[in-house]
Amino acid sequence: SQKIEQNSEALNIQEGKTATLTCNYTNYSPAYLQWYRQDPGRGPVFLLLIRENEKEKRKERLKVTFDTTLKQSLFHITASQPADSATYLCALDIGGTSYGKLTFGQGTILTVHP
Amino acid sequence: GAVVSQHPSWVICKSGTSVKIECRSLDFQATTMFWYRQFPKQSLMLMATSNEGSKATYEQGVEKDKFLINHASLTLSTLTVTSAHPEDSSFYICSARDLQVGNTIYFGEGSWLTVV
Repeated sequence: SQKIEQNSEALNIQEGKTATLTCNYTNYSPAYLQWYRQDPGRGPVFLLLIRENEKEKRKERLKVTFDTTLKQSLFHITASQPADSATYLCALDIGGTSYGKLTFGQGTILTVHP
Repeated sequence: GAVVSQHPSWVICKSGTSVKIECRSLDFQATTMFWYRQFPKQSLMLMATSNEGSKATYEQGVEKDKFLINHASLTLSTLTVTSAHPEDSSFYICSARDLQVGNTIYFGEGSWLTVV
């Protein structure tokens, strides 16, 4: 059966360090993999999208890698700040006419300590 | 930037009544919107795909007669929870696809439903 796993339910790091979150999937052939940030009681906010034929994407302090052989994506936040504390969700999209129909991982709660 | 608005942000209703939640794309047209449900400490689960001018497509296990979806215009989709029960209490979130901006997906702020 199809499965998406974010390997840590919670991750605690010190301010200034790099946070690395992992998303693994099985029995999927996603065209896109997306990362979202969700704050308590709020809707998800889009961060980055990476296509199946892309290895890496960057945006400011954020970096995403996508390995379709390993079926894994890594999400990095460099120079982390307490304001980065939130739940981070990975989501798969098979694309095509179903584009936007997302399957989410369970999320990783990131806490950045000052 | 593009915004997706949900209304109401929170609602309390009595068991057995129906409640409607609206999802609007404020500055773009969305032929397709999606409805998700999120229970506490769980991730978002897709309920249905809302298509403008046609019937919604429901995910397996989601009762279409209980969760009525109407997408009557290019900027508005509504989700009606009929004969609500306490187990329907959840965070309902919609998203919309902006075809003009690289197929970007925007999420609403969510609607908290509590059935008492």
